[in-house]
Amino acid sequence: KNEVEQSPQNLTAQEGEFITINCSYSVGISALHWLQQHPGGGIVSLFMLSSGKKKHGRLIATINIQEKHSSLHITASHPRDSAVYICAVNTGNQFYFGTGTSLTVIP
Amino acid sequence: DTAVSQTPKYLVTQMGNDKSIKCEQNLGHDTMYWYKQDSKKFLKIMFSYNNKELIINETVPNRFSPKSPDKAHLNLHINSLELGDSAVYFCASSQDSVSQPQHFGDGTRLSIL
Repeated sequence: KNEVEQSPQNLTAQEGEFITINCSYSVGISALHWLQQHPGGGIVSLFMLSSGKKKHGRLIATINIQEKHSSLHITASHPRDSAVYICAVNTGNQFYFGTGTSLTVIP
Repeated sequence: DTAVSQTPKYLVTQMGNDKSIKCEQNLGHDTMYWYKQDSKKFLKIMFSYNNKELIINETVPNRFSPKSPDKAHLNLHINSLELGDSAVYFCASSQDSVSQPQHFGDGTRLSIL
């Protein structure tokens, strides 16, 4: 069993839809990261959270430390949001990654 | 100006060879990382250095050796390359290892013939 589980694995949405990607983890963490990997392969760090909620444009990330769960929300989704979204946790001396959620937004 | 740059972008070589991948960051960050992404796109950390000191060293073969000549550089040397080493290797950096987001390089695609 992975230390970090993401759901869903694959997600197809219509442009404009509200999207939620979930991440659960089983270890104590100092921070949780949401990463975006585009089809071209480059990786971008979207958020780093240790508590609460962060917002950047149409993206919102939340974390519940007690429940060991984080969500990434995309409002008013757009085809350019199509990418793989990866959840990763930092335990202080280890990093664990989820297997990613592949998102396709259809025009 | 590229923040985290890796070279080469592509590396094709034969089994048994020794190769290096270079990484440089111009962000003034204290922490640098090497990750491996396999053919199934699963990311895994290999090493992390903070101010030239090794802080994470995952279970990777000792054919892989990171070298940090200064805190702006973290190079990855691989000896006796094997078929299973074929992957994309990403370098990243962050201001610290705990509370700051990471900036990633574009990756180096290593193919072993």
